[in-house]
Amino acid sequence: GENVEQHPSTLSVQEGDSAVIKCTYSDSASNYFPWYKQELGKGPQLIIDIRSNVGEKKDQRIAVTLNKTAKHFSLHITETQPEDSAVYFCAALYSGGGADGLTFGKGTHLIIQP
Amino acid sequence: NAGVTQTPKFRILKIGQSMTLQCAQDMNHNYMYWYRQDPGMGLKLIYYSVGAGITDKGEVPNGYNVSRSTTEDFPLRLELAAPSQTSVYFCASSYSRGWEETQYFGPGTRLLVL
Repeated sequence: GENVEQHPSTLSVQEGDSAVIKCTYSDSASNYFPWYKQELGKGPQLIIDIRSNVGEKKDQRIAVTLNKTAKHFSLHITETQPEDSAVYFCAALYSGGGADGLTFGKGTHLIIQP
Repeated sequence: NAGVTQTPKFRILKIGQSMTLQCAQDMNHNYMYWYRQDPGMGLKLIYYSVGAGITDKGEVPNGYNVSRSTTEDFPLRLELAAPSQTSVYFCASSYSRGWEETQYFGPGTRLLVL
């Protein structure tokens, strides 16, 4: 099955700086890579996703890049704000779907320092 | 729309007890999912359903059962609670196109088995 590694586990940045979270996946057949944000006491919420036929996708201050050859993808947050503080999860979907569905990374706790 | 709702928010069980975690969605989504989230870990899929009357196992189904008698409801049953089932449980749903659709998560149920 798919295995997703996520780094770092904790990331502290100054407000206004950029934050980068990296994930690697093991199955080259995976073709869909969403990113979820989880605020304290809430369920995860999709913030951006990318498909394997695209190398980069941007939505305002958030961008995701995908390197299929190296099997890694990254989340970039620019001009960080206090409300960006949360736990972020990457995930990968094996193209065959089936019982496993999305495989999630262990999460990154992003802390925005004022 | 209320989105995805889960009850209860928190529960303490004794070893060997049983309980049902309730999940409902009012978005007319065909796909529904149950995940568990252990501390410092990503989400792991327990069971999923692609429509009323159809359920299938995910990555970690042992010790759990589900049913899907209506489009709206997808309860998760624990028959003989064990300490290993201490976790936060999230229910999610998505539109009928399946795995690449955005999954909308409920607020979670925190379960403690003692």
